[in-house]
Amino acid sequence: EVQLVESGGGLVQPGGSLRLSCAASEFTFSNYWMSWVRQAPGKGLEWVANINQDGSDKYYVDSVKGRFTISRDNAKNSLYLQVNSLRGEDTAVYYCARGGWYSDLWGRGTLVTVSS
Amino acid sequence: EIVMTQSPATLSVSPGERATLSCRASQSVSSNLAWYQQKPGQAPRLLINGASTRATGIPARFSGSGSGTEFTLTISSLQSEDFAVYYCQQSDNWPRTFGQGTKVEIK
Repeated sequence: EVQLVESGGGLVQPGGSLRLSCAASEFTFSNYWMSWVRQAPGKGLEWVANINQDGSDKYYVDSVKGRFTISRDNAKNSLYLQVNSLRGEDTAVYYCARGGWYSDLWGRGTLVTVSS
Repeated sequence: EIVMTQSPATLSVSPGERATLSCRASQSVSSNLAWYQQKPGQAPRLLINGASTRATGIPARFSGSGSGTEFTLTISSLQSEDFAVYYCQQSDNWPRTFGQGTKVEIK
């Protein structure tokens, strides 16, 4: 089945770090731009970051620049988001999504909760 | 940053009626506009890309139009499964930005 499965979320204290992962299945992962999109509880969607097919091009929303790093391992069909210096406003479900212009495949998301 | 503004925030519609959702960009995004549907507890689903191209498997009752700064998503005859939140998203510039969403609820 063509799918994306996120993992790595959890409860973390302010200032802490996590590494989110996204495993891709049944499509040629290396052919696609990939995205991370987040959604705070009860709020709308917020695009976080994009990465191109070979990882040489990366874009971030201003609010996470310098704190979050998107990366990928095409040999492992995996996308990552290293999230550092976490703040309360980073609390959200983080979705992995296929595509850099529009996203036609989404994972179910992983919840990151930043709280002391 | 391009600001996407959706209206109305909530749309109350009876099943079988037509729903018209609007999305406005703070500057031209050409046709680089997508629409997504999200139901409670689920991931978003792509409906429309390129402002007017239906994604794979999307019923013909969903249609998108517009270019530049003004866009519309029309659901011609609402079915029970269409009650959800709808988001527009521009991909003309970085950062990609979403509208705040329109909730389509049962009247």
